[in-house]
Amino acid sequence: SQTIHQWPATLVQPVGSPLSLECTVEGTSNPNLYWYRQAAGRGLQLLFYSVGIGQISSEVPQNLSASRPQDRQFILSSKKLLLSDSGFYLCASSTGGNEQFFGPGTRLTVL
Amino acid sequence: AQSVTQPDIHITVSEGASLELRCNYSYGATPYLFWYVQSPGQGLQLLLKYFSGDTLVQGIKGFEAEFKRSQSSFNLRKPSVHWSDAAEYFCAVAGGSYIPTFGRGTSLIVHP
Repeated sequence: SQTIHQWPATLVQPVGSPLSLECTVEGTSNPNLYWYRQAAGRGLQLLFYSVGIGQISSEVPQNLSASRPQDRQFILSSKKLLLSDSGFYLCASSTGGNEQFFGPGTRLTVL
Repeated sequence: AQSVTQPDIHITVSEGASLELRCNYSYGATPYLFWYVQSPGQGLQLLLKYFSGDTLVQGIKGFEAEFKRSQSSFNLRKPSVHWSDAAEYFCAVAGGSYIPTFGRGTSLIVHP
């Protein structure tokens, strides 16, 4: 099965600062990769997904961006964080339309 | 478009009691259906999935779910709940695009 690594586990950043969250995948090749945000007490909001290197689809227009520089690496970035960017960010991977494997998540607090 | 409804935001049960979490989906063809569990501050873990075949699927941790096409439902069940089952449960549906849609989740509270 796939193993998803995310770091950092927690992050506290001031408003207006940049952001970089990293996700790497083990145990598979050419996966579909996903970034989700989960606000407190709410479900999962799909932010970006990627079907291959350099291929990024955005689901929600916002000040976040994603990149996939390598097959099993997915990065979520922002140039200037907003208070509303606070939340729990989850990276997920899937292969061949099968179930998703999730990472442990990053708790982001923007102050 | 596909959608998922989990009508119960919170469910409270006593330890040892049976459990049923409801999930209704909307999708034009036979969907891929999933149940995930999330413990506080952690990622999601797959409990079980339905792609085709037997409509009663068995999962990990003693959970099962039944696909009922006529009711567009995929309810999750467990005959006897343990305190460690307290968590958030998400139902998800995926169609041909392989982009799943998640429900808003049901929080399970287990009383001793």
